[in-house]
Amino acid sequence: NAGVMQNPRHLVRRRGQEARLRCSPMKGHSHVYWYRQLPEEGLKFMVYLQKENIIDESGMPKERFSAEFPKEGPSILRIQQVVRGDSAAYFCASSLRPLAGGSTDTQYFGPGTRLTVL
Amino acid sequence: QQQVKQSPQSLIVQKGGIPIINCAYENTAFDYFPWYQQFPGKGPALLIAIRPDVSEKKEGRFTISFNKSAKQFSLHIMDSQPGDSATYFCAASRNYGGSQGNLIFGKGTKLSVKP
Repeated sequence: NAGVMQNPRHLVRRRGQEARLRCSPMKGHSHVYWYRQLPEEGLKFMVYLQKENIIDESGMPKERFSAEFPKEGPSILRIQQVVRGDSAAYFCASSLRPLAGGSTDTQYFGPGTRLTVL
Repeated sequence: QQQVKQSPQSLIVQKGGIPIINCAYENTAFDYFPWYQQFPGKGPALLIAIRPDVSEKKEGRFTISFNKSAKQFSLHIMDSQPGDSATYFCAASRNYGGSQGNLIFGKGTKLSVKP
């Protein structure tokens, strides 16, 4: 059973361009979480999605950032008009169901996409 | 209210030593406390997790101690090995009416185990 997959692993964009980050959850998982990690910092929650629904986007900047998790295909985190401050590692995690007790609630993380904005 | 404070920022121990990493939280609604291990260039991997109804949980060489009244929890690594050198993150989350929410992470502790 393949783990959480993210692509690309590294992404370089110039200021003003768009960045699209993809996340394929583990097989059977329908809950996806996106986190951002700045250098030497912990992970910061951005958005939590279930198939076709955004459950919690309280950690996502109101402008330029959007996320989706369609019925078919990977979850996409989209950053429009990137700025240098968007440079970070973006991690996706998936779970079988929301954390509510038991080992099946674990959030499994992907390897991340490292975004560099020139 | 949403913060999880982690210390120390970095830690160096000799092989066989017992590094201890501490975390403190404010929000009493948190009810799930996992620890993640992250190697450079990799995503975090779950090590061990605890809920507030127990004061200690042990899995292999890793032990979580939980003090509900003090709102603190800690990770102990027994017989540490150079391969344990990594960054460790504590985290917490709360249940929103039956649906567990996102993880709130501490800032991490960079552990180095010397041979």
